[in-house]
Amino acid sequence: DAKTTQPPSMDCAEGRAANLPCNHSTISGNEYVYWYRQIHSQGPQYIIHGLKNNETNEMASLIITEDRKSSTLILPHATLRDTAVYYCIVRYSGGSNYKLTFGKGTLLTVNP
Amino acid sequence: KAGVTQTPRYLIKTRGQQVTLSCSPISGHRSVSWYQQTPGQGLQFLFEYFSETQRNKGNFPGRFSGRQFSNSRSEMNVSTLELGDSALYLCASTPGGKGNTEAFFGQGTRLTVV
Repeated sequence: DAKTTQPPSMDCAEGRAANLPCNHSTISGNEYVYWYRQIHSQGPQYIIHGLKNNETNEMASLIITEDRKSSTLILPHATLRDTAVYYCIVRYSGGSNYKLTFGKGTLLTVNP
Repeated sequence: KAGVTQTPRYLIKTRGQQVTLSCSPISGHRSVSWYQQTPGQGLQFLFEYFSETQRNKGNFPGRFSGRQFSNSRSEMNVSTLELGDSALYLCASTPGGKGNTEAFFGQGTRLTVV
């Protein structure tokens, strides 16, 4: 699986959009970008994933650049409960086994 | 439907002992993966079980083992515990087939080795 690079920490004001970047310059054509988050000492929670098109769900939007070498997770209206470590993960989805390779992630702190 | 259930939530063991942790996946899910999370190494993949067979393994010593039962429940065992095994152990379940799915994680078991 391709390696990802994320900033170690970011701050965001409550109610504003949080934009979390991720670089995955070695991503291959059959690898998807997944985002998970982990609120302190809880299990990681799935947010969203995508291949090359932008994706949106009730939690967030995922913007993937045309060359697929980077992506941005957008939380449109951050709340205090969105304070968590956010992990960007690249995963090959062609096989049947399921393994997630976590990096260090980005600690997002939402401030009142 | 019920989420992923891990038991126990907290555990304290002494060096040299062994420990068994349990994970019940979401109903209908056939794949269970295990992860270890420590402050120093972060979240690391231990192994994955599907239909009672281990089909993927991370880079951990043989003291770490697991199994899966016919009802998809899984256990992991750590023998001859070391202080460095103190960690949050997480399991995740997925349906198990090919394709893109999300993994559902349990709340974890916090193991402290003293």
